[in-house]
Amino acid sequence: AQSVTQPDIHITVSEGASLELRCNYSYGATPYLFWYVQSPGQGLQLLLKYFSGDTLVQGIKGFEAEFKRSQSSFNLRKPSVHWSDAAEYFCAVALNNDMRFGAGTRLTVKP
Amino acid sequence: KAGVTQTPRYLIKTRGQQVTLSCSPISGHRSVSWYQQTPGQGLQFLFEYFSETQRNKGNFPGRFSGRQFSNSRSEMNVSTLELGDSALYLCASTFDPGVFGYTFGSGTRLTVV
Repeated sequence: AQSVTQPDIHITVSEGASLELRCNYSYGATPYLFWYVQSPGQGLQLLLKYFSGDTLVQGIKGFEAEFKRSQSSFNLRKPSVHWSDAAEYFCAVALNNDMRFGAGTRLTVKP
Repeated sequence: KAGVTQTPRYLIKTRGQQVTLSCSPISGHRSVSWYQQTPGQGLQFLFEYFSETQRNKGNFPGRFSGRQFSNSRSEMNVSTLELGDSALYLCASTFDPGVFGYTFGSGTRLTVV
């Protein structure tokens, strides 16, 4: 069955520390891949997307993600986290006009 | 340009009632999708419309329905509301979901009492 998995429900990092949020997918073909961020009470904002080509993609707010076909993963990274990055992050996959989301990872940033 | 607009932002309904939520996509976007977000279930896909046709549907009961008009505006309807229908309902639009990803509205917070 097709699925998107975000193994970490909640992550806490200190401000200025690096961040990696994990995402794995299980699809018959390589889907299009996305990361979204959601602040409390708001809709989702697109951070970055991967279709093909360079497996390291750059997004907004200093985020990047790396696609690894052999691991069916699309992990999100940021070298230095800011307090304003505290939010919920969703990995999403799209195939045949159908987009599905992972369960989300809530990020807490410690001062 | 204007973003995805969802109305109303908040709704309180009683069990057994029905409700209609509205979504105005970004101009030019013909694909509109709806998602239900709850703390327990996360983001669940309801359905996707493209050029007034339902193209994809999630695993929700028939009480959940939708439609899209010729101007791409979309509505979703929930009949015979249950307490478990309390959620944030998000609408999203795009030219092509697979290529561009979605632009989301701020959602409609539905509370069923």
